[in-house]
Amino acid sequence: AQSVTQLDSQVPVFEEAPVELRCNYSSSVSVYLFWYVQYPNQGLQLLLKYLSGSTLVKGINGFEAEFNKSQTSFHLRKPSVHISDTAEYFCGLAGGTSYGKLTFGQGTILTVHP
Amino acid sequence: DTAVSQTPKYLVTQMGNDKSIKCEQNLGHDTMYWYKQDSKKFLKIMFSYNNKELIINETVPNRFSPKSPDKAHLNLHINSLELGDSAVYFCASNGGAEQFFGPGTRLTVL
Repeated sequence: AQSVTQLDSQVPVFEEAPVELRCNYSSSVSVYLFWYVQYPNQGLQLLLKYLSGSTLVKGINGFEAEFNKSQTSFHLRKPSVHISDTAEYFCGLAGGTSYGKLTFGQGTILTVHP
Repeated sequence: DTAVSQTPKYLVTQMGNDKSIKCEQNLGHDTMYWYKQDSKKFLKIMFSYNNKELIINETVPNRFSPKSPDKAHLNLHINSLELGDSAVYFCASNGGAEQFFGPGTRLTVL
C-alpha cells in the first residue's frame, strides 16, 4: 500500500519569507513524486516532479523540492514567497512502473500575508 | 486551447436524481482519470481508463459508472445521487510523466 502524508495542514508566512511544505511518503516500490498547486476554485497545476536522477528538482514559480529516499520525504521549498503563492498544495505519489494512479496527501494551505 | 475540459462546472441537484459529468481532453493521451475531492479537500482517485478500457476502479459504489466512448472522452454518470456525493470531481489525463487536470465540476446534492 502507498500513502502520502503532508505534515502541515496550514502554513502561514509573511511575504518574502522562505517556506517549506513537508511531505512524507510510504511505498514498497520505487516511486515518482509530484507537487501540485490548487488556486481557489481551480483545478490542479503541476509545480514539479521527481522521476529519477538528480534529487533536487526545480519547478515553476521558483519552487524546488528535494527527494530524500532514506527519509522518504519530498519537501517543497521556496526561498521568498509572494502573495500570489497563496493556494493549497498537494503532494502526490505514483508507484511502480506506471505513472498512473496518483495518491495524494491531505493538502497544505499556504497563506502568504503582506 | 483547453487541454482538459469538463462540463458542467457547477451541478446542483436533488437526492435520488441521476446526473452526468462530461470530460474531454485534446492532448492525445491514452489514459484518463476521475478524482473526487471531498469537503476537506482530500483528493482520491475513482477510476482510470486506458484507451477506452477500465484499468482502475477504486471501490467506488456501482451507482457511479464511467463511460469512455473514445480515448479523448471519459464521462461519469451517477445514479440515485446521495448527499455524500457532494464534492468536486476532477477529470485528468496522463501525459506520461504528468497528469493534466480539468477545472473540476462542483456537485451539490440537496
